[in-house]
Amino acid sequence: SYVLTQPPSVSVAPGKAASISCGGSNIGSKSVHWYQQKPGQAPVLVIFYDSDRPAGIPERFSGSNSGNTATLTINRVEAGDEADYYCQVGDTSSDVVFGGGTKLTVL
Amino acid sequence: EVRLVESGGGLIQPGGSLRLSCAASGFDVSINYMIWVRQAPGKGLEWVSVIYGDGGTKNADSVKGRFTISRDNSKNTLYLQMDSLRVEDTAVYYCARVAASGPLDYWGQGSVVTVSS
Repeated sequence: SYVLTQPPSVSVAPGKAASISCGGSNIGSKSVHWYQQKPGQAPVLVIFYDSDRPAGIPERFSGSNSGNTATLTINRVEAGDEADYYCQVGDTSSDVVFGGGTKLTVL
Repeated sequence: EVRLVESGGGLIQPGGSLRLSCAASGFDVSINYMIWVRQAPGKGLEWVSVIYGDGGTKNADSVKGRFTISRDNSKNTLYLQMDSLRVEDTAVYYCARVAASGPLDYWGQGSVVTVSS
């Protein structure tokens, strides 16, 4: 089965940029989606189709996908961005697969 | 407005059964790809069961033969029947809608299932 690999944790100072990677074999050929999950809450979609933002998601959130790595970038990080972030691939023709999740800590 | 509201979780002994419900509003579950995702305490997200627009279903290997996903179109509600529950099934269970190309664009609030003697 397809495997997505994320770093367990990423730390960043407020106002700086954070990058969270999601590795997978030829992931650049797939559509990657990203979720933010705060403690005690359901996940929220923050990036879909590699780089699109749902309504209400700040422009500080962006995504890219090429080769074997997809990346979620959060610019000008705020304290409220502290959360777990998950990448995901899969659609109606293949199983949904989640990465293991990355805990973003704002220093 | 799209909403998913879950119910039916609780404490159950190993070997027992439980049925989760996910009432949808703002869209039609009968023509959408719907999914149950669970999250064990302190762990990541794991897909459990899916139902496609044509009614076809699929389960993850970890629950195959024990869990059954279904929907009631007249009630616009998704279900997860969980039988032969194990301690390792303890988790928060989320229902979600899967858009055509894969993103889970709407999630329920989650339903806690605890399997313990």
